[in-house]
Formats: sequence, structure tokens, C-alpha cells
Amino acid sequence: DIRMTQSPASLSASLGETVNIECLPSEDIYSDLAWYQQKPGKSPQLLIYNANSLQNGVPSRFSGSGSGTQYSLKINSLQSEDVATYFCQQYNNYPWTFGGGTKLELK
Amino acid sequence: EVQLQQSGAELVRPGTSVKLSCKVSGDTITAYYMHFVKQRPGQGLEWIGRIDPEDDSAKYAEKFKNKATLTADTSSNTAYLKLSSLTSEDTATYFCTAYNNSGVWFTYWGQGTLVTVSS
Repeated sequence: DIRMTQSPASLSASLGETVNIECLPSEDIYSDLAWYQQKPGKSPQLLIYNANSLQNGVPSRFSGSGSGTQYSLKINSLQSEDVATYFCQQYNNYPWTFGGGTKLELK
Repeated sequence: EVQLQQSGAELVRPGTSVKLSCKVSGDTITAYYMHFVKQRPGQGLEWIGRIDPEDDSAKYAEKFKNKATLTADTSSNTAYLKLSSLTSEDTATYFCTAYNNSGVWFTYWGQGTLVTVSS
């Protein structure tokens, strides 16, 4: 199984700040990576697919980058509605696997 | 607009089974690969498996092969997850999620079903 190491596990940032979350697959996943946002009590929502493609309707302050075994999610100009937990997920190889999550809070 | 509607919360006894449903509206279920994901309280996401309602073929994560069974009913546009021999480790929220041929990322999500295993 491909192990997805996500960091940090938690993060505290101020409004307007830029935030970076990292995801390191245990092997090359050829950009077959998605990022999801999950708010408390809700289901995850797709933000980014194919490592850097923005899902329709997602604000442009969200962006994804990376390749091979290193990927990141960037949130520019943090807004209050961005408080959530973020997960990366690989779909290169079964079983599909998720990172452990990053809980983002406001400072 | 495609929507996934999951069945309600369940309180079940240890050792029993439970069958959860996920109904697709807005399109035909055969256009989608239906997946289920487990989330224990305060924890991350675990992929359980997926079913292709077109031919009923299913794939499972190794750890769920003796725990989960995925089925689909095209006449009611519904996918099902059956969990057997329930223990406290199965207490979790179970999400159904889906994608179509546009891409293999989880575009659509149900609201989740909370299963509580307790005597």
C-alpha cells in the first residue's frame, strides 16, 4: 500500500496569511493526487485533483503543486471559512489511501 | 446535479451486521463508480472499497475483505455497504463517494452514516 505522510498534523494561522500543507507519498504517484477539505460534521469536499487542477467552484486562493513523491496545498490570504481539516489522497494504485489530515485553525 | 443520499444513523449490537444505503439522484448510477470511506470519531479517512454498478465488480482494501460487502441495485439507483461481525472498532461514520468517467477523484459525496456499535 502507498503510505501518505501529511504534515503538519495541525496548524494555526492568522487571517490573510499564506498556509502550506505537505503530502509525501511513499512512492511515485505520477500526480494522481487530490486534496479535500472537511469541515466539522460534514463530508469532505474536493478542492484539487491531478495535483494542481482546481475543482469548479473552489476559490482561486487554493492551489496545488508537486510531482513524484512530494506534493503541497497552498492557501493564499486565509479566510475564516477555510478553518477545516485537509486531506490528501492518492488514486494511482489500489488501495486508494489518504494522508492523516491537517487541522487548520485561526490564530 | 448529482446527489448522494445516505441512510440514517444506526445503533447496532456487537456481533451483528448492518446494511447501509447510498442513493444516487440526478443521474443513473451505472455512470459512476461508487466508493465507501470510513472515518472513526476524530480520525482520518480509510478507503473501504468500490463497486462498478455496470457489472457489479467490486474491489476492497485488504483489511475490509472479510468485513465489508458492496452491492448495487440499478433499479433503485442505490449502492449498499454491508458490514458484518460488528465490533467497537466499526463505530464510525461511513461515507459513500463517487466519480464518473470525467476523472477518478471523489467529486460527489454523501452526507455520511454514523454507525455506533454498542451493547
